[in-house]
Amino acid sequence: DGGITQSPKYLFRKEGQNVTLSCEQNLNHDAMYWYRQDPGQGLRLIYYSQIVNDFQKGDIAEGYSVSREKKESFPLTVTSAQKNPTAFYLCASRRRGAPYGYTFGSGTRLTVV
Amino acid sequence: AQRVTQPEKLLSVFKGAPVELKCNYSYSGSPELFWYVQYSRQRLQLLLRHISRESIKGFTADLNKGETSFHLKKPFAQEEDSAMYYCALSRDSGGGADGLTFGKGTHLIIQP
Repeated sequence: DGGITQSPKYLFRKEGQNVTLSCEQNLNHDAMYWYRQDPGQGLRLIYYSQIVNDFQKGDIAEGYSVSREKKESFPLTVTSAQKNPTAFYLCASRRRGAPYGYTFGSGTRLTVV
Repeated sequence: AQRVTQPEKLLSVFKGAPVELKCNYSYSGSPELFWYVQYSRQRLQLLLRHISRESIKGFTADLNKGETSFHLKKPFAQEEDSAMYYCALSRDSGGGADGLTFGKGTHLIIQP
């Protein structure tokens, strides 16, 4: 069964700690994306990667970092520099040459206390 | 900078009534626009895109470049249409390779 898996579904961390959110896809998609979703704010792009070992900042990259060592995986690290990390994080992927064909994960809700 | 505006946070209509969810955009190039939907406890999914001029689940959306709008319409609402709807704009001219800019979303509630 192909798709995108985000884990864990819920994550709690203490303030000042870095935390890494997992995103794995078995769709053989080339591009992967991280969005942040806040109530009343819609989705905002954090980082994206169109090929392995390459990624670009989105609109709200400050306080976040990513890596793309494998085509299937695009982990997002929320660092202690992110001023307001509590949010819902969505990962998406897209096959090259398939315009608009995004597949979204089910999300991870991060709560920093 | 590009922007997508959905003026209504919440829209409540009765079953069988017409529905219109508004979306306005600002973009200097040739826009590529989409509507995404998120039903309760389900993942975000594509509803329709302007370039294909399709009708999905009875919904249509026409791109009006003069008014910079891409409103979503359905002539007769059904209870299963209740969901969160997002209007989105491609950040590039290549179908969204550089990601999408989303509006803040409209929560549509269809009352029986």
